[in-house]
Amino acid sequence: GEDVEQSLFLSVREGDSSVINCTYTDSSSTYLYWYKQEPGAGLQLLTYIFSNMDMKQDQRLTVLLNKKDKHLSLRIADTQTGDSAIYFCAERGPGGYNKLIFGAGTRLAVHP
Amino acid sequence: DGGITQSPKYLFRKEGQNVTLSCEQNLNHDAMYWYRQDPGQGLRLIYYSQIVNDFQKGDIAEGYSVSREKKESFPLTVTSAQKNPTAFYLCASSWDRNSPLHFGNGTRLTVT
Repeated sequence: GEDVEQSLFLSVREGDSSVINCTYTDSSSTYLYWYKQEPGAGLQLLTYIFSNMDMKQDQRLTVLLNKKDKHLSLRIADTQTGDSAIYFCAERGPGGYNKLIFGAGTRLAVHP
Repeated sequence: DGGITQSPKYLFRKEGQNVTLSCEQNLNHDAMYWYRQDPGQGLRLIYYSQIVNDFQKGDIAEGYSVSREKKESFPLTVTSAQKNPTAFYLCASSWDRNSPLHFGNGTRLTVT
């Protein structure tokens, strides 16, 4: 079945790199996404990667995809206090509509 | 500015009452979605619509109803048949079934 797993909590020091990990089960997933949610707000699309790619970089964000292990990671360089939020990994499988399967989210806490 | 507007931000209802959550988008997106978020869990799909006058059940449609009479609007009604309606509700839209989802800021519904 479809499932997306994430660790629930990550704490980092300001200025360090953060790495948020995610595993998924559907090997036929076409796109994988990272969303950010700040308290009381909706989800903000951060980045996404197509399944035929290994890596995607966008400013401070680097996404790595290991299809063999069904593992996705999001690295945030030079983490700032404004990066404190919940980060959701989501996979999109094949099919006739845009169904996303979300993980439970990783709460990132950035401390001085 | 284009975006997705959900209203109201907070909604309180007595048990046994139906309530309708509003979602409007001016992004000219064809597809719209409703998700439910519970604490410590990922998002779960309630209903989606790929085009005007058409909508489909998601994973947890029981106790909910929707309509899609206009491209820009996709209201969600939480009926008295929904056993546990208190949650954070998120509306999203996408250009089509292959594009990333963009989310509104959510409506927090509390039923007592």
